Amino acid sequence: GAVVSQHPSRVICKSGTSVKIECRSLDFQATTMFWYRQFPKQSLMLMATSNEGSKATYEQGVEKDKFLINHASLTLSTLTVTSAHPEDSSFYICSASDSGGAYEQFFGPGTRLTVL
Amino acid sequence: AQSVSQHNHHVILSEAASLELGCNYSYGGTVNLFWYVQYPGQHLQLLLKYFSGDPLVKGIKGFEAEFIKSKFSFNLRKPSVQWSDTAEYFCAVTRGTGGFKTIFGAGTRLFVKA
Repeated sequence: GAVVSQHPSRVICKSGTSVKIECRSLDFQATTMFWYRQFPKQSLMLMATSNEGSKATYEQGVEKDKFLINHASLTLSTLTVTSAHPEDSSFYICSASDSGGAYEQFFGPGTRLTVL
Repeated sequence: AQSVSQHNHHVILSEAASLELGCNYSYGGTVNLFWYVQYPGQHLQLLLKYFSGDPLVKGIKGFEAEFIKSKFSFNLRKPSVQWSDTAEYFCAVTRGTGGFKTIFGAGTRLFVKA
């Protein structure tokens, strides 16, 4: 299957700082990328959908000003957690699709964010 | 509320036992159905998928799933599990509502005893 990378894999930051997470599709053009959040022992919760060159669509309850998403190219989407707080600590996973998400999504390995 | 329900959160089996993991969803209309697997320390990967046609679909590593429309179910099965099947399994449903959105079930942690 297609390969999706995420960077960094782990990040620890102080409360109030911002953290950027990159998601790259390495061998295909991802017209759509999804960002998920996974709490311990829970499922993936969709945070937002980003289409290349368009503004991201956020799920209900997700603050768009806190979780800034940019999908500037067909191979790169970034999630910036602004003014991070301890409650933002979580596992963030991106996925990429060349079918708008209708068919298979290819997942990145995830980023573990810890906010002190 | 629209949801995807997985019946078992934890399953422990011995090698060679048969496996069935239940998945039900509450959406009407056309959906695409998936089972994803996450092996320890690895990222999510596709196990199998159903879009249309034969409701019995076969995936990798001997897994299969059956779509029963009347029951809104998409249960995962494997006749004989192996130790290497130890993983977390997620059922997922994608529907198009002005853009495709995938909802995941809570996941089932399978532990296979050698």
